[in-house]
Amino acid sequence: GDSVTQMEGPVTLSEEAFLTINCTYTATGYPSLFWYVQYPGEGLQLLLKATKADDKGSNKGFEATYRKETTSFHLEKGSVQVSDSAVYFCALRGTGTASKLTFGTGTRLQVTL
Amino acid sequence: DGGITQSPKYLFRKEGQNVTLSCEQNLNHDAMYWYRQDPGQGLRLIYYSQIVNDFQKGDIAEGYSVSREKKESFPLTVTSAQKNPTAFYLCASSIGLDGQETQYFGPGTRLLVL
Repeated sequence: GDSVTQMEGPVTLSEEAFLTINCTYTATGYPSLFWYVQYPGEGLQLLLKATKADDKGSNKGFEATYRKETTSFHLEKGSVQVSDSAVYFCALRGTGTASKLTFGTGTRLQVTL
Repeated sequence: DGGITQSPKYLFRKEGQNVTLSCEQNLNHDAMYWYRQDPGQGLRLIYYSQIVNDFQKGDIAEGYSVSREKKESFPLTVTSAQKNPTAFYLCASSIGLDGQETQYFGPGTRLLVL
């Protein structure tokens, strides 16, 4: 079945550092890929998405590229801020399973001054 | 403002009691979903609904029930058969069930057992 693997956290960075959160997936066909962010005590917000190979999703300085050859969708940001501290979830929606999002376990990011 | 509302924010359940979590959306979305989130884990799908009066089980439906009498509402009942109900419950909706469509999430309800 479909699965998503994320790097374990927590990830602790100083403000203005470069961020990478790794995400790899297993799925048949061409799934759509998503990054969601969850701030403390809140629901999930869509951060970015990509629906086909080589697409790059971007939002709020974050970006991720859909790499079919490496089955990856790593999240990057060039300069993190304290306000980026949250839990980040990678997810996929498989072809033929249109009803379901499959989530990774989440990666907690803590940004300090 | 369009969005998804969930109530209450916190809910306490006694042993043997059924409790119902509310989810309402004014986005005119056809599809709605319930997920459960446990600490250190990703979200797991409980139930989903594509249209009014129709719903399907997700991966962990045992001990839960839902109804979809109105397009904008998708309440979840946690029954006494659910032996480990303590979790954060998230409702979501999307325009339809197409794989490329985005799911939008509500703020969540935290259920605690007394």
